[in-house]
Amino acid sequence: NAGVTQTPKFRVLKTGQSMTLLCAQDMNHEYMYWYRQDPGMGLRLIHYSVGEGTTAKGEVPDGYNVSRLKKQNFLLGLESAAPSQTSVYFCASITRDGYEQYFGPGTRLTVT
Amino acid sequence: GQSLEQPSEVTAVEGAIVQINCTYQTSGFYGLSWYQQHDGGAPTFLSYNALDGLEETGRFSSFLSRSDSYGYLLLQELQMKDSASYFCAVRDGAGKSTFGDGTTLTVKP
Repeated sequence: NAGVTQTPKFRVLKTGQSMTLLCAQDMNHEYMYWYRQDPGMGLRLIHYSVGEGTTAKGEVPDGYNVSRLKKQNFLLGLESAAPSQTSVYFCASITRDGYEQYFGPGTRLTVT
Repeated sequence: GQSLEQPSEVTAVEGAIVQINCTYQTSGFYGLSWYQQHDGGAPTFLSYNALDGLEETGRFSSFLSRSDSYGYLLLQELQMKDSASYFCAVRDGAGKSTFGDGTTLTVKP
């Protein structure tokens, strides 16, 4: 079991560029989450999904879009990157009735 | 909505006991979880309480009082490697997850 994996691990974008972050889990978890974490701060929920084909907005969804076409994958898109989106992005998954979120290693994104 | 409050920093010496408090507000409660995060790493799960009372896992224990919307994480026999950030988190019935801003624990020799 690889658990939760994230691609890429690092990325530098210029303002206005777009990119997609991929999260994959092999634990057959129903729920998946995208968080961002700024230096010295907590985890803020961007979007989440409670099942294949479903997505919902979290606390800070503006500037991001997501898709969950397959149960094991959760994609986070930035259509037009801004310096304010410089952050570390974590993906996590959990079973519907579970209490332990499993996190990926994170993607460190810098927007210049 | 959901919100959680926890102290921003706690300092303790090796071998001591430290308690990190968390108060929460949530519409629909599915339990209080605790996570540890070392610098540069991903959060890892420590403990969970769905019902009132104390849960013990080795040196770590977690307590919950649903009537007070309050919980705490208790770390005993502190070690240098326990220096990290600790987060409390709640999840509502619709699956939405919210984390506190984290408590930075510094363990001194």
